[in-house]
Amino acid sequence: SQQGEEDPQALSIQEGENATMNCSYKTSINNLQWYRQNSGRGLVHLILIRSNEREKHSGRLRVTLDTSKKSSSLLITASRAADTASYFCATLEAGSYQLTFGKGTKLSVIP
Amino acid sequence: DSGVTQTPKHLITATGQRVTLRCSPRSGDLSVYWYQQSLDQGLQFLIQYYNGEERAKGNILERFSAQQFPDLHSELNLSSLELGDSALYFCASSAQGQGGYGYTFGSGTRLTVV
Repeated sequence: SQQGEEDPQALSIQEGENATMNCSYKTSINNLQWYRQNSGRGLVHLILIRSNEREKHSGRLRVTLDTSKKSSSLLITASRAADTASYFCATLEAGSYQLTFGKGTKLSVIP
Repeated sequence: DSGVTQTPKHLITATGQRVTLRCSPRSGDLSVYWYQQSLDQGLQFLIQYYNGEERAKGNILERFSAQQFPDLHSELNLSSLELGDSALYFCASSAQGQGGYGYTFGSGTRLTVV
């Protein structure tokens, strides 16, 4: 079953623009993580935000978490063609051992 | 190279057959997770092992089974294969028994059932 739902399902932007992806989830969580997947390859961990954190940065990535709205957003600034990939949010539900993934946002960055 | 090794990378087999997918976790990681990725269902959690013991079970069919060996590598066995089992199968590992610090994924095994 899906816990996280990403929005939009697909996003196309020009190189240099910012990309924002959103994730909504349903239950209480310990943390929320974002992963990137290049076509047909394995997922790569990008960033983790804990339930008691509101914002986190890593390079060109900024993640926010609003536990009252059960939502998170991933912002990629100054996007590059190499950022073209699918992005997944994953939640570690309270009391659970494994991550539950959403269906992802497919990002296309046009050079 | 993520440090998680999955073999084989591609597998084509006929309906009704049985296959074994293999995963070696990143050095030092005790947990192994198996996920199935298909276009319509997304990433579905199948099963988790921690230090040789089954820890959590997800949407794993009865035709599927897994185990983790003393050297911590894991195998996922899929039997009586159906066309609908065609998917990407990922193994991921983590140092601890839950996803508290993120997973390291392998590059996957693409299974095609014909």
